[in-house]
Amino acid sequence: GQSLEQPSEVTAVEGAIVQINCTYQTSGFYGLSWYQQHDGGAPTFLSYNALDGLEETGRFSSFLSRSDSYGYLLLQELQMKDSASYFCAVRLSGFQKLVFGTGTRLLVSP
Amino acid sequence: DVKVTQSSRYLVKRTGEKVFLECVQDMDHENMFWYRQDPGLGLRLIYFSYDVKMKEKGDIPEGYSVSREKKERFSLILESASTNQTSMYLCASGGLAGTDTQYFGPGTRLTVL
Repeated sequence: GQSLEQPSEVTAVEGAIVQINCTYQTSGFYGLSWYQQHDGGAPTFLSYNALDGLEETGRFSSFLSRSDSYGYLLLQELQMKDSASYFCAVRLSGFQKLVFGTGTRLLVSP
Repeated sequence: DVKVTQSSRYLVKRTGEKVFLECVQDMDHENMFWYRQDPGLGLRLIYFSYDVKMKEKGDIPEGYSVSREKKERFSLILESASTNQTSMYLCASGGLAGTDTQYFGPGTRLTVL
């Protein structure tokens, strides 16, 4: 089977740095993705790690370590608009579908 | 820009009704997906399709069926709606190899009374 675990909620203040972790138990997968979803909105793609290491896209970075079955999303210079839910997801080897984590709600305060 | 549209943002139906949720994408994607989203449970895959007239069950297919007669359109059907199918339904397309990016529609909030 497969499961992806994330903290249910994380809080931080504007300007800070926050890390959202994703640990998984799965036998094999192509890569780890991250999606952002604002309240009432649709999930939108943020980043993808096919290989171990850090991928940087502006204020957001994502990291993957297959040996540790672990990844994270790092958000820097937090802004109020970053308040949203963040989901990690994997595409299992041999399948077209994604498996999503249960999501982390990030609350950014002034 | 990729666009995925869903036929309704809000829908209220009665128990036992047959419900159709429509999804259209304009990017010529082979793959299309239907999810439901409930608080604390994340996104759960109901069905997906990797080509016209092809479909695969997801993790929670019971009580649902799908139809993909054209590449751009993927329909979710609730044969006999029940109150436990009250949820947010999200359609997505993509899942392209190399990035695994999926593009989501705005969602349909379905309430079954």
